[in-house]
Amino acid sequence: ELQLVESGGGLVKPGGSLRLSCAASGFTFNSYSMNWVRQAPGKGLEWVSSISSGNSYIYYADSVKGRFTISRDNAKNSLYLQMNSLRAEDTAVYYCARVQIAAAGNDHWGRGTLVTVSS
Amino acid sequence: DIVMTQSPDSLAVSLGERATINCKSSQSVLYSSNNNNYLAWYQQKPGQPPKLLIYWASTRESGVPDRFSGSGSGTDFTLTISGLQAEDVAVYYCQQYFDTPWTFGHGTKVEIK
Repeated sequence: ELQLVESGGGLVKPGGSLRLSCAASGFTFNSYSMNWVRQAPGKGLEWVSSISSGNSYIYYADSVKGRFTISRDNAKNSLYLQMNSLRAEDTAVYYCARVQIAAAGNDHWGRGTLVTVSS
Repeated sequence: DIVMTQSPDSLAVSLGERATINCKSSQSVLYSSNNNNYLAWYQQKPGQPPKLLIYWASTRESGVPDRFSGSGSGTDFTLTISGLQAEDVAVYYCQQYFDTPWTFGHGTKVEIK
């Protein structure tokens, strides 16, 4: 069964750091691009970052550029998001999501991990 | 950035009736070289992650009931639920994947009248 399981969320003070992880199973992880998408409480969806299957292409939303770093370890079937200089507006549920072959949207999502930035 | 505008913000439909959600992009998401519209629709129920319903504007994801259909091209798109069921109560989002940043509409909440 295909699974994406996020971890690493929690409460952090403004200016702090967190590293999110996403453990993938049930599919050939190194064949797929992956995304991070977030959802602030009671709000809509916001794409955060993408990484191609072989790490060649990496993209960020302007709102996180220079503060967040996406990475992956294909040997460990894992996706990561290093988040630095966190702000209150980064408070959200962070989802990892698989990108369909041919980049046609996100066909599988994890259940998300909550990041709360507050003093 | 490509701005995605959904309408209405919410709608209430009787069981068995049709629900129609519109999505407009600020620029075309039709890629002329392959004639594909880079537009997806998602369903999100409370406390759950989004679920992909439609991609390429009109291709139904495997396992999605055929009462869900997508149409449109260029900048104007529609998600239709033909024969609303109680389990269809959710928020629906459109998303363009034509260019980064991938952007979502703000969502349309569908309820039972």
